[in-house]
Amino acid sequence: DAMVIQNPRYQVTQFGKPVTLSCSQTLNHNVMYWYQQKSSQAPKLLFHYYDKDFNNEADTPDNFQSRRPNTSFCFLDIRSPGLGDAAMYLCATSREAGLASHLEQYFGPGTRLTVT
Amino acid sequence: SQQGEEDPQALSIQEGENATMNCSYKTSINNLQWYRQNSGRGLVHLILIRSNEREKHSGRLRVTLDTSKKSSSLLITASRAADTASYFCATAQRGGYNKLIFGAGTRLAVHP
Repeated sequence: DAMVIQNPRYQVTQFGKPVTLSCSQTLNHNVMYWYQQKSSQAPKLLFHYYDKDFNNEADTPDNFQSRRPNTSFCFLDIRSPGLGDAAMYLCATSREAGLASHLEQYFGPGTRLTVT
Repeated sequence: SQQGEEDPQALSIQEGENATMNCSYKTSINNLQWYRQNSGRGLVHLILIRSNEREKHSGRLRVTLDTSKKSSSLLITASRAADTASYFCATAQRGGYNKLIFGAGTRLAVHP
């Protein structure tokens, strides 16, 4: 089945120790998104890739970086995690992102990050 | 800033009853979508309603959209215990690139 996969499902890292979360998709979608969701809050978009074009949200901290080496994979790098970065990180895809598109997003199961 | 506001924040009902959740937003939209999230899991798309549509149905789901009031509602009829989850509305802004802005969600508990 075509799907969005996130690894690992649970990640524990130490304060200040770099961590990378991964996402892969078998849907062959052009667009991949990374969201941060804190407990009982709405998912918040961090950035997205349209093919290889990277788009950062204005309020995404510099501590967060992303890489998309190919269509299938996208990585979220947190350079120096702080306690406030503990959250669920959700990866999503959509087929395209045109101005008139009416397309849903497909989400992975998420990676829950704990910072100790 | 957050686009959508949802109410109620939490809803507790018995199996068989209907559940209604409301969502309000602030800016012009291209479409509005509803997603479901089981505890500790990713989001699952339920239904999408375009800005020129007023009502849409999918199985036990009914969504309405009132662009003059900038509001939407999601009705789940004949609820089941398996409907227990958080429900989020998300708006895709007009002129945007399919960026979704999510509301804070409604936590629904359906008791057997």
